[in-house]
Amino acid sequence: GQQLNQSPQSMFIQEGEDVSMNCTSSSIFNTWLWYKQDPGEGPVLLIALYKAGELTSNGRLTAQFGITRKDSFLNISASIPSDVGIYFCAGHNSNTGKLIFGQGTTLQVKP
Amino acid sequence: GAVVSQHPSRVICKSGTSVKIECRSLDFQATTMFWYRQFPKQSLMLMATSNEGSKATYEQGVEKDKFLINHASLTLSTLTVTSAHPEDSSFYICSVPGTYEQYFGPGTRLTVT
Repeated sequence: GQQLNQSPQSMFIQEGEDVSMNCTSSSIFNTWLWYKQDPGEGPVLLIALYKAGELTSNGRLTAQFGITRKDSFLNISASIPSDVGIYFCAGHNSNTGKLIFGQGTTLQVKP
Repeated sequence: GAVVSQHPSRVICKSGTSVKIECRSLDFQATTMFWYRQFPKQSLMLMATSNEGSKATYEQGVEKDKFLINHASLTLSTLTVTSAHPEDSSFYICSVPGTYEQYFGPGTRLTVT
């Protein structure tokens, strides 16, 4: 099925470093979502973006909805070991109500 | 957001048997729920949309006779994997939709031996 292009696929960083990941799509989405999935768990919603150009923060996380509505990025500042996990972007298809997911970015943080 | 539970969290079954997975919306009435499957190191793939009071709608390539979905009430949807095979081993996750976002259950790890 359709997927968003998410990069990078994986990242291995030192504790305290900042992280950036992004998603692009050939289609326009009116809502972009960022989720985090811990091993053996379901995804948890981190940030929801509803307007083109919107910049939203949640603690150390900041996400932006691209002005063209075809892309989004997520930044994590001052990473800590519990940031380890898989981060997924998702676009909401307003016609079907379904989510289209990116391939995920696996983040590993070295203490 | 909605609080979603799944039961069981893990299940091991033998080939040829059937297994039922429950998804409950604990604090929100849901006329629609979604069922996903996730293989190791892969993204979530939507299997079907569960509709309260009507038949589920399945994504292309998903066998409706193999993956039976019953949306019994506004808080409960069940997925039954019938005649399970080892290739059905996967992580099954349900979700409850909000306005645009979805809230996911903790997942069920199915292993078919």
